[in-house]
Amino acid sequence: EAQVTQNPRYLITVTGKKLTVTCSQNMNHEYMSWYRQDPGLGLRQIYYSMNVEVTDKGDVPEGYKVSRKEKRNFPLILESPSPNQTSLYFCASSSRDGFKETQYFGPGTRLLVL
Amino acid sequence: EDQVTQSPEALRLQEGESSSLNCSYTVSGLRGLFWYRQDPGKGPEFLFTLYSAGEEKEKERLKATLTKKESFLHITAPKPEDSATYLCAVPKPNAGNNRKLIWGLGTSLAVNP
Repeated sequence: EAQVTQNPRYLITVTGKKLTVTCSQNMNHEYMSWYRQDPGLGLRQIYYSMNVEVTDKGDVPEGYKVSRKEKRNFPLILESPSPNQTSLYFCASSSRDGFKETQYFGPGTRLLVL
Repeated sequence: EDQVTQSPEALRLQEGESSSLNCSYTVSGLRGLFWYRQDPGKGPEFLFTLYSAGEEKEKERLKATLTKKESFLHITAPKPEDSATYLCAVPKPNAGNNRKLIWGLGTSLAVNP
């Protein structure tokens, strides 16, 4: 089954404690992206990756890091989480064919930073 | 400013009561418009892509249409399982290789049995 998986699905942490949210896709997609979704603000892109070892900032990259060492994986790293990073996070992937394809989203990771 | 506006914010229908959701956009050189469905606590799920004014696409009880300024998602004889938030998005102009999308805030649809 074609899918994007994220782990963990739920996470409660404290300010400053480094964490990583994993994302993996099994569709051999080149393009992957991280979003956060907040009430009243909608979906906002954090980082994206066009392919292995190619990453770039989205709209709200501050406080986040990413890496793309393998095509299927695109982890999101919060080196020193703060309460304003409490949010619902989604990973997405799509094939490399302009805009004539859809983005497949993961199930989401709900993060609470105390 | 490039933006996407969806209306209404929330809509409550009785089962079988048809209606339409609106997505208006102010981007130049539209390269497509996407509709997604999002169930509570889940990731958005793709519904349609529309590329040019006059284009229409259908899927079960849903029909999406596109004009030069807006798109409509028509829901015919909805069922309770159609309850979800419907999101629309358009590619951001001049985003280069980034498939950066400008997202609307969505319309939350509730269909009562």
